[in-house]
Amino acid sequence: AQSVTQPDIHITVSEGASLELRCNYSYGATPYLFWYVQSPGQGLQLLLKYFSGDTLVQGIKGFEAEFKRSQSSFNLRKPSVHWSDAAEYFCAVRHTGGFKTIFGAGTRLFVKA
Amino acid sequence: NAGVTQTPKFRVLKTGQSMTLLCAQDMNHEYMYWYRQDPGMGLRLIHYSVGEGTTAKGEVPDGYNVSRLKKQNFLLGLESAAPSQTSVYFCASILKGGPTEAFFGQGTRLTVV
Repeated sequence: AQSVTQPDIHITVSEGASLELRCNYSYGATPYLFWYVQSPGQGLQLLLKYFSGDTLVQGIKGFEAEFKRSQSSFNLRKPSVHWSDAAEYFCAVRHTGGFKTIFGAGTRLFVKA
Repeated sequence: NAGVTQTPKFRVLKTGQSMTLLCAQDMNHEYMYWYRQDPGMGLRLIHYSVGEGTTAKGEVPDGYNVSRLKKQNFLLGLESAAPSQTSVYFCASILKGGPTEAFFGQGTRLTVV
C-alpha cells in the first residue's frame, strides 16, 4: 500500500533562514507527487507538483522541491523563509494509474523573528 | 469560477443526530473526494467518486455514506453522529486520472457533543 512519511511533526526556523521539509513515500513506481500548504483555518493550497521530467520543480511563493528516485523522497525547500510562511505543509502522492491521493501527517512550520 | 464549495462551514451536532455535508464543484471534474483532517494524522480519505452515480470506500468509511447523483455535487452523510466524528472535513476534486492535481474546498468544521 502507498504511504507517505513526513518525519518532522514541527519545525522552527528563523526568518530569513533556509528551510527543508522532508517527505518520503512508499510505492513501487514513481507516483505523482505534491506539496500543499494550509494556513490556520484555511483549505489546502497547492505549492508544487511533480509528474515527470525535470526532478527539480519550482512552485509558488519561492518554494522548490526535488524528486530523488533512489531515496523515494520529495523534499520541499525554500532559501529564505518569511514570517508569512508559517503554516502546515502536507506532502501527497498518487500513483499514476490511481484515483486516490494519499497525504502525509503534515509538518507544522513555525517562523521566529 | 468558485472552484470547490463546501456547505456548511461550521456545524455543531448532538450525538445521534444526522446531517449532510454538501460539496459542489464548477470545474467539470470527474473525480471527487471526502477527507477528514485530525491533528497529527494528516488527511484521511473517507469516500470518493470517479464519476456521476459511482462511489467507493476510502481509508475510514465507517459511519459515513455518500452520494453523487450529479457530476458537480458530492454529498457526505452522517446518519448517527458520534463524538469520534468531530473533525474538519475537506472535499476535493480532480479533473480526471493522470497528471492532474486535487483542488480543495475550504473545509467544514464539525463538532459532535
